[in-house]
Amino acid sequence: LAKTTQPISMDSYEGQEVNITCSHNNIATNDYITWYQQFPSQGPRFIIQGYKTKVTNEVASLFIPADRKSSTLSLPRVSLSDTAVYYCLVAEAGDKIIFGKGTRLHILP
Amino acid sequence: EAQVTQNPRYLITVTGKKLTVTCSQNMNHEYMSWYRQDPGLGLRQIYYSMNVEVTDKGDVPEGYKVSRKEKRNFPLILESPSPNQTSLYFCASSQGLGDNEQFFGPGTRLTVL
Repeated sequence: LAKTTQPISMDSYEGQEVNITCSHNNIATNDYITWYQQFPSQGPRFIIQGYKTKVTNEVASLFIPADRKSSTLSLPRVSLSDTAVYYCLVAEAGDKIIFGKGTRLHILP
Repeated sequence: EAQVTQNPRYLITVTGKKLTVTCSQNMNHEYMSWYRQDPGLGLRQIYYSMNVEVTDKGDVPEGYKVSRKEKRNFPLILESPSPNQTSLYFCASSQGLGDNEQFFGPGTRLTVL
């Protein structure tokens, strides 16, 4: 089970693009990278998942370099409502799921 | 609507008074789990269940019990609650482990006096 490292907190301003990088140096061949978002007093919510290169959906983009030792969650043009904790998880089918402490993103007006 | 429900959403109780927090999912998921969340400690898994009658300890199982008699339900039982179990609790379900999307309930805020 690959360990992940992400910044404890980040600040940004409304309208900016925010990039949160997660390090996972020991990622295994069959591991997928998944990001969750958690608003205060709510359960985490799946945002995006990828294996390699780039994945984009209506909420975010996920960039994964060729060596897969890190990944970057990109949130375009953030608003105050994007203030949340973002978790990066790395696991393959059958792995135990471990949430770390995540990155606390604070969007300023 | 696909969802995970928990009850109660808020509970204040006293030390030693047995309580049960219910969790139910309507997605026919195999895997269910319970987490607690405390400031500065992130989400920590209490127990999980791979299927009916199959449960296993997570990272912080002490003081908790679970059961999985039906696929849709996974209640969390505190036989003798103590103040250090004051926390925000989440139930989650998914089709499987690992790379499967986890669906979380709305949370139960428990205070033990």
